[in-house]
Amino acid sequence: EVQLVESGGGLVQPGGSLRLSCSASGLTFSSYWMHWVRQLPGKGLVWVSRINSDGSGTSYADSVKGRYTISRDNAKNTLYLQMNSLRAEDTAVYYCACGTSTWSNYWGQGTLVTVSS
Amino acid sequence: QSALTQPPSASGSPGQSVTISCTGTSSDVGGYNYVSWYQQHPGKAPKLMIYDVNKRPSGVPDRFSGSKSGNTASLTVSGLQAEDEADYYCSSFTGSHNLVFGGGTKLTVL
Repeated sequence: EVQLVESGGGLVQPGGSLRLSCSASGLTFSSYWMHWVRQLPGKGLVWVSRINSDGSGTSYADSVKGRYTISRDNAKNTLYLQMNSLRAEDTAVYYCACGTSTWSNYWGQGTLVTVSS
Repeated sequence: QSALTQPPSASGSPGQSVTISCTGTSSDVGGYNYVSWYQQHPGKAPKLMIYDVNKRPSGVPDRFSGSKSGNTASLTVSGLQAEDEADYYCSSFTGSHNLVFGGGTKLTVL
């Protein structure tokens, strides 16, 4: 059974940093593109970032470019999202998802990030 | 990158068909056959229902189908069932090598 488990969410002050992790099991992690998608409370899905299977290629939504960094450790079957200079509008549930470069067929349950003073 | 445009709500009675639209531009929906659709029940993670405009992952009922014409993609749910009541989101690859989601459509089964 494929499982993606996010961790690292929590409460952080504006301007602060947080690193999210996504631990994968039940699949050949190194074969898949990975994505981060966020969902503001009661709102829709917003794509955040993606990374290719070997970690050599990344892309970001304009709203997080220069502040967030996606990375992966295929030896540890783990995806990361380093979030810096956090703003109130970054408050959301963050999902990791895996699949191809254009769609994701496995999703985690999400981790809540709250940016507030 | 602006979100793709979806109607906020749609509805139908059990057994009926309903179609949800997703409108973008020639830089996303119209420019690539990389439209996907996700179903999300309250408090749950999204589930992939359609990818590459009209392909269904294994396990997704054939009541769900996708299509595209110009800059508008559509998801059709035939033979509506109570469990189809959920939020539906479209997504597309974009010319800037990113992805973009629609604002979501709440499907109500009357």
